[in-house]
Parts: sequence; structure tokens; C-alpha cells
Amino acid sequence: GDSVTQMEGPVTLSEEAFLTINCTYTATGYPSLFWYVQYPGEGLQLLLKATKADDKGSNKGFEATYRKETTSFHLEKGSVQVSDSAVYFCALSDQGTALIFGKGTTLSVSS
Amino acid sequence: ETGVTQTPRHLVMGMTNKKSLKCEQHLGHNAMYWYKQSAKKPLELMFVYNFKEQTENNSVPSRFSPECPNSSHLFLHLHTLQPEDSALYLCASSQDAGQGARGYGYTFGSGTRLTVV
Repeated sequence: GDSVTQMEGPVTLSEEAFLTINCTYTATGYPSLFWYVQYPGEGLQLLLKATKADDKGSNKGFEATYRKETTSFHLEKGSVQVSDSAVYFCALSDQGTALIFGKGTTLSVSS
Repeated sequence: ETGVTQTPRHLVMGMTNKKSLKCEQHLGHNAMYWYKQSAKKPLELMFVYNFKEQTENNSVPSRFSPECPNSSHLFLHLHTLQPEDSALYLCASSQDAGQGARGYGYTFGSGTRLTVV
């Protein structure tokens, strides 16, 4: 079945460091891909999305490119802030199915 | 305000209690979902409702009973739960489950933190 694999956390960075969170997927069809973020005590918020190969989703300085050849959707940000500390979830939706999530990656940014 | 409101935010219940979780959205969405979030595990899809009809039950034990009286409201009725059911229960909505999340994503509530003692 379809699945999403994320790098294990936690990821600990200093402010202004470069961030990469790896995400790969397995799907039978041609999925849409998403990154969600969960701040402490809150639900999940859509961060960015991509619906076809080579699409780049971006929001709040975060970017991710849909790479069909490597079945990947890695999240990047050039300069993280303390306020980016949260749990990040990669997710896919394939052929009209409900969202399937990875386990989440905790990011902790210190000043 | 995310557009999806869940109540209560926190709930502690005994194993013999009966309680209900409530989810409400006024986004005009037609699909609603219950997810369970446990520590160190992927979010688990529990139920899907599309236009008030249940379209998916992901092998959820019968001690969890969903109800969707209209497209704006979703309940999760709980009875005789076990301590391992303690988790964050998240409600989400989307335009149409037939479209899945394709290109649109879901809007999530803040969740109900459930503790079973």
C-alpha cells in the first residue's frame, strides 16, 4: 500500500542554519504531496503542497520539490528561526484516498 | 482560528465512562475525518464521512462510534475505552472526500487530548 517515510528526529539547529527534512513515498498512482506543520498544543496546518512532478511548493520560506524519479519531496529552508520549532509531517493523497502521513519530524531551533 | 473547532480540548475519562468528542466546521466542506495521533506513530485515519455518509472505517474498534448528523458536525462517541486509547484525536475537513486531498489538503482542528485512566 501507499506509504510515507520521513527522516527520524529530532532535528536540532541553531537559528539561521539551513534545514532539510527528507521525505520519500511509495504510491501506486500519481499522488499529490503535502507538508504539514504542528506547533505545540495545536492541530496540523498545511504548509505547502505539490500536485505534479517538478512542481515546487513554497510558503513562509519553506520549499519542497516533487521529484517523481526519486519519489521524494524533501522540505528545505535556507535560514530557520526559533519560531519554526514544531513537528513537520510529510503526507500524500493518491487516487482520491484520504491523506497518508509520515511519522513526523520534530525540529528544535535555538537562538 | 483554523475553521475547524474541536471540543473539549482536554478530556480525562475512566474506562467505564461514556463521553463524546465534537467537531464543527463552517467552511462549506462536505468531507470530515477523524485521526488518532499517538506518540512516535504516524497519524492513523479512523473514519471518513462524505456528504454525511460514512465511507471509510479503518478497522477501528467498536468502542469508538462516529456520528455525522450534517456536513458541518462530526462526533466521536467513546465508551469502555482502554488506557492505550489515550492520544490526541484530530478532526479534519476537506471539500470533498471523492477528490481526496488532491491539490487541496485538509483543514485540521486543534484536537482533543484524551487520557484514559
